[in-house]
Amino acid sequence: AQSVTQLGSHVSVSEGALVLLRCNYSSSVPPYLFWYVQYPNQGLQLLLKYTSAATLVKGINGFEAEFKKSETSFHLTKPSAHMSDAAEYFCAVSDGGSARQLTFGSGTQLTVLP
Amino acid sequence: DSGVTQTPKHLITATGQRVTLRCSPRSGDLSVYWYQQSLDQGLQFLIHYYNGEERAKGNILERFSAQQFPDLHSELNLSSLELGDSALYFCASSAFPGASYNEQFFGPGTRLTVL
Repeated sequence: AQSVTQLGSHVSVSEGALVLLRCNYSSSVPPYLFWYVQYPNQGLQLLLKYTSAATLVKGINGFEAEFKKSETSFHLTKPSAHMSDAAEYFCAVSDGGSARQLTFGSGTQLTVLP
Repeated sequence: DSGVTQTPKHLITATGQRVTLRCSPRSGDLSVYWYQQSLDQGLQFLIHYYNGEERAKGNILERFSAQQFPDLHSELNLSSLELGDSALYFCASSAFPGASYNEQFFGPGTRLTVL
């Protein structure tokens, strides 16, 4: 079975500050990892994905994440927060097996302060 | 715009009733996934269909069922509705099994309110 833990249900940063959203996973097989963003009253949009090609993954809107197998982590970062980054962020894992459904973390609400 | 469409956007109904949620996947995608998002349970996988056949079930109640039609659109049927079924229901599609990873594209969701 696989699972995802997101540390911190709410994170607040000042505009221009570093964004760090934490995600730890548990998987019995090499995982595929994803970060999705959900803006209010909208669906989920893929930010980036890890598929074993490279441990540092760059996504849209200036976000990136680093896969660290030894720490079973896939933390999301952005060097400089923008007001438009305020949203809920979800980390998800897939085992890549025949079903391939996503198992999501509980989400982190990011607030960007002016 | 992900290319995945869901109707209706909002649905308000009463306990004990039955509703049908509809999803049209992105053009060319053969897989459809249904997820439920609620405050207490978070985002949970319900069921996966691939090219008309059920492939996997998650935390889906027996009162819920789904199907995928020959034109690849999918419907999620919820019956004997309870207050606790109020949630946002998402449909996602992917090109599985074309890719070795499962990149899913999500629709805007249907917000179900059971009164």
